[in-house]
Order: sequence, then structure tokens, then C-alpha cells
Amino acid sequence: GAVVSQHPSRVICKSGTSVKIECRSLDFQATTMFWYRQFPKQSLMLMATSNEGSKATYEQGVEKDKFLINHASLTLSTLTVTSAHPEDSSFYICSARDRGGFTEAFFGQGTRLTVV
Amino acid sequence: DAKTTQPTSMDCAEGRAANLPCNHSTISGNEYVYWYRQIHSQGPQYIIHGLKNNETNEMASLIITEDRKSSTLILPHATLRDTAVYYCIVRVPQNQGGKLIFGQGTELSVKP
Repeated sequence: GAVVSQHPSRVICKSGTSVKIECRSLDFQATTMFWYRQFPKQSLMLMATSNEGSKATYEQGVEKDKFLINHASLTLSTLTVTSAHPEDSSFYICSARDRGGFTEAFFGQGTRLTVV
Repeated sequence: DAKTTQPTSMDCAEGRAANLPCNHSTISGNEYVYWYRQIHSQGPQYIIHGLKNNETNEMASLIITEDRKSSTLILPHATLRDTAVYYCIVRVPQNQGGKLIFGQGTELSVKP
């Protein structure tokens, strides 16, 4: 299957700082990328849909000013957690789908964020 | 909200077939059924998807009932490495964003 790479895989940051997570599609062009968050022993929760060249669409209850998403190219989307707090500690996962839109979405390996 | 319901957990003996059921009684005619699995602390892995017909690939088979209200994922010869959480997902139609909304999934434990 296609490869989606996230970076970093783990990050620890101090409360009040911002953290950027990158999601890259390595061998295909992704017009759409999705960002999820997963707390321990829970399922994945969709945060937002990122479309190349346009503003992201956020799910209800997700603060767009806190979770900044940029999808500047067909192979890269970034999620920035601004002014992070301990409650933002979670497993963040991106997925990307080929520009065709009728295929499966592939997921990155996830980023474990710990805010101390 | 997720449009699927799955058993919380299942056990399977190594080497036997694992049959994971999924109910999606409110599925619409143009919505696909997708299956993913997640091994602890990793991103979900795509398994298979289908619309109406049964599907088979190198990983699994997907059996969809004629009324499309339920489906079964079959792992023909389960191994210990198949221990994971399996998610059955009804994908939002493409013209509505094509999102994958995850439910709680089934935690499959393959035992020696």
C-alpha cells in the first residue's frame, strides 16, 4: 500500500509552547488529508479534513485556532498545536487519500504528544 | 457519529479463521464499508473495502449481506500478529467529504 509518514513520532513539550506535526504522502499525491486524535483506550476521533490549497474543515467541538492545519502541497499537511496544555497530550494520527478519491485512505504511524 | 456496531472483543485460536461481524443497518446505497485494524500505538492499517459484492485480497475476505445491513470480515488463518483492534467503517460519501468515522471497534485476541 501507499506510504504516509508522520514526523515526529514522539514529542515532549512544555506547557504553553506550540508543536508542529508533519504528515507526508511519500509515493502519491493527496488532495485530502485527515487529522485524528486518540486518547488511551479510546477510538480515533476525527479532528479535521485538510484540503490542498484551501482552509481545513474542522469537526464540531474542535478549536480551529488551537489546532492549526496547513495543507500547502499535494504531499504535505501540518498540524500545529498552539499553546499546548497537558490535556492536549494524545496520539495524533494523519491519513491521506490519493487524489482520485475513490480509494482507501492510508494512515501515518502517529505522533505521541506529551505536554509537561 | 459512527454508523456501525461491533462486538467489543473476540478471541480466536491461532490457525483458525477469525470472523468479525459488523452491523451497519443505516447504510446508504452509495456508502462503502471499510475495514482497518490498529495494532497498539500504531496508525491504522487498511485491510479491505467493498460496496455490494464480496471482496477478497491477500489479507482477508469481506462478506456483505445482500441487504447491505451487515458484513463480516474473515481472516482465514489467524496468527498471533493479527491481534489488534479491528474497525468496521461506513465511509461518508465522497461528495460529503469522504471521511472515515471510527467506532469503538472489536479487540481481537489471537491465542496460541
